[in-house]
Amino acid sequence: KAGVTQTPRYLIKTRGQQVTLSCSPISGHRSVSWYQQTPGQGLQFLFEYFSETQRNKGNFPGRFSGRQFSNSRSEMNVSTLELGDSALYLCASSLSASSSYEQYFGPGTRLTVT
Amino acid sequence: AQSVTQLDSQVPVFEEAPVELRCNYSSSVSVYLFWYVQYPNQGLQLLLKYLSGSTLVKGINGFEAEFNKSQTSFHLRKPSVHISDTAEYFCAVSDKTSGTASKLTFGTGTRLQVTL
Repeated sequence: KAGVTQTPRYLIKTRGQQVTLSCSPISGHRSVSWYQQTPGQGLQFLFEYFSETQRNKGNFPGRFSGRQFSNSRSEMNVSTLELGDSALYLCASSLSASSSYEQYFGPGTRLTVT
Repeated sequence: AQSVTQLDSQVPVFEEAPVELRCNYSSSVSVYLFWYVQYPNQGLQLLLKYLSGSTLVKGINGFEAEFNKSQTSFHLRKPSVHISDTAEYFCAVSDKTSGTASKLTFGTGTRLQVTL
């Protein structure tokens, strides 16, 4: 069974631009969560989607948004990029909405904002 | 709200020696507990999890952890480490009562450096 895939793996953008990252969960998984990982703030929860609905959101500004499609694939968008948005963005999928279910992480997308 | 404290940012250890990575958590509600490992340029991989039952949990790659409710701790141990265990280790919790999919709160990570 294929794992969680994230595209692209690496991305360089300029301040003020916007970016869209993609995540394909493991087949059959319906829950997708996004995390931001930076050296200063560590791993922080962005948002979670289940059956195309956002069920939970972390403490990030409105520039960060996401969506989930009917096939459970998810995208996250960051508008008006800032230097501080440089980070590794990790996507995780889970079989169910229950918090007891294991999350499987993708390799991440490394975003660099210049 | 929950918080996770990993007391050691770096742990150097010689190969074949035992190791313990410490994790303490704070939460006003019941939580599930997890340990993840991250190798360079990779995502996170689940080592083990505590949901309920026996407080001693065994995971992959010879790791185990013990849940101590009174001390709100979930320390990770391995009796004999290998060079390949060199990685970043993250302790995490999720709210058992939230009713939503996993929203993990992570610690800041512990860098395990195994040398010959």
